[in-house]
Amino acid sequence: QKEVEQNSGPLSVPEGAIASLNCTYSDRGSQSFFWYRQYSGKSPELIMFIYSNGDKEDGRFTAQLNKASQYVSLLIRDSQPSDSATYLCAVNTDYGGATNKLIFGTGTLLAVQP
Amino acid sequence: GAVVSQHPSWVICKSGTSVKIECRSLDFQATTMFWYRQFPKQSLMLMATSNEGSKATYEQGVEKDKFLINHASLTLSTLTVTSAHPEDSSFYICSAVELALSTDTQYFGPGTRLTVL
Repeated sequence: QKEVEQNSGPLSVPEGAIASLNCTYSDRGSQSFFWYRQYSGKSPELIMFIYSNGDKEDGRFTAQLNKASQYVSLLIRDSQPSDSATYLCAVNTDYGGATNKLIFGTGTLLAVQP
Repeated sequence: GAVVSQHPSWVICKSGTSVKIECRSLDFQATTMFWYRQFPKQSLMLMATSNEGSKATYEQGVEKDKFLINHASLTLSTLTVTSAHPEDSSFYICSAVELALSTDTQYFGPGTRLTVL
């Protein structure tokens, strides 16, 4: 069973701090990794994706991938109350196939305290 | 870019009736669309994968005769919940993968909240 695991939280950080969200996955052959943000009652929205080992930065967000250790993380700098949401990690395990299916973690609830 | 719409955004129906939900990619063509269901405080559950011009592939445990999926074009997929019952009440979300890009990034629609009385 291919799995994606996240700490459900809540992760509470003060405004302006760095929030660090972590995700591990079981399929060593996974190739594509995604972070989505989901506000309560809304659908997920893509934050960023990462394919290669190392860091990828986009504004206040940095995704980090370590395939050897099978983890991917998301750092949010200068956290704002508006960042309070559930963050979903997703992994494509159907690489080379025709379906592009993603396996989602259960999400980490982030609460940024003003 | 990469905008996905769903219609309706919410629907209330009586038990035993059927409900159709539309998923459209507005500014791109989608090779593949996915249908998810999400119950309160739970994660996304993939129901089926929809490819244009072919039959949908359903996940284990999802009744294909109850959840009918039609992917009529590269911009439209529909999910019909047949003979809906209260336990089908959920948040149904579709996503789409863009044809022109050789990526597997999924863009999500805003979701449809179904309540079956």
